[in-house]
Amino acid sequence: GENVEQHPSTLSVQEGDSAVIKCTYSDSASNYFPWYKQELGKGPQLIIDIRSNVGEKKDQRIAVTLNKTAKHFSLHITETQPEDSAVYFCAASKNTDKLIFGTGTRLQVFP
Amino acid sequence: DAGVIQSPRHEVTEMGQEVTLRCKPISGHNSLFWYRQTMMRGLELLIYFNNNVPIDDSGMPEDRFSAKMPNASFSTLKIQPSEPRDSAVYFCASSLQSGWQPQHFGDGTRLSIL
Repeated sequence: GENVEQHPSTLSVQEGDSAVIKCTYSDSASNYFPWYKQELGKGPQLIIDIRSNVGEKKDQRIAVTLNKTAKHFSLHITETQPEDSAVYFCAASKNTDKLIFGTGTRLQVFP
Repeated sequence: DAGVIQSPRHEVTEMGQEVTLRCKPISGHNSLFWYRQTMMRGLELLIYFNNNVPIDDSGMPEDRFSAKMPNASFSTLKIQPSEPRDSAVYFCASSLQSGWQPQHFGDGTRLSIL
């Protein structure tokens, strides 16, 4: 079955710097890749997603890139702010409803 | 707009007791998912429904776990009998049916089995 690996597990950055989180997936048939942000005591919230027919998608300070050949995708957050501090999860799905999640990255942004 | 609503938010009970978790999906969504989150195993899909019909329950850990969706606006996840290793945060999520629709999560039920 599908397996999603996520790195790093923790990431600390200074406010204003960029943060990059990387994920790899095993099933080349996967074609939908969402990213979720989870704050303490809350459920995961979708922040951006990408489908396999595009290589990059951007939404303000957040961007996701996808390399289908290498089977990896990345989340880029620019101009980080303290409120970006949270746990981020990547996930992959192959045209079904079943999402397979990565293990999460705890991002801390220091003022 | 109301999001996915889960109840209770916290549940503490003794092992051997029956536990029932409840979920109200977003109105109009026809897919519903139950997940379990632990430090050791991360986010695991337990079961999901399309149009109130269970599609994949391969993630349900054992027969002590059961889930129902009697109508489009309500689902339950039941554990009977509960064990300490069932302690986790249980999330419900819903989406419009189709593989590319985003899943919207509730804020979870934190379950502690003593």
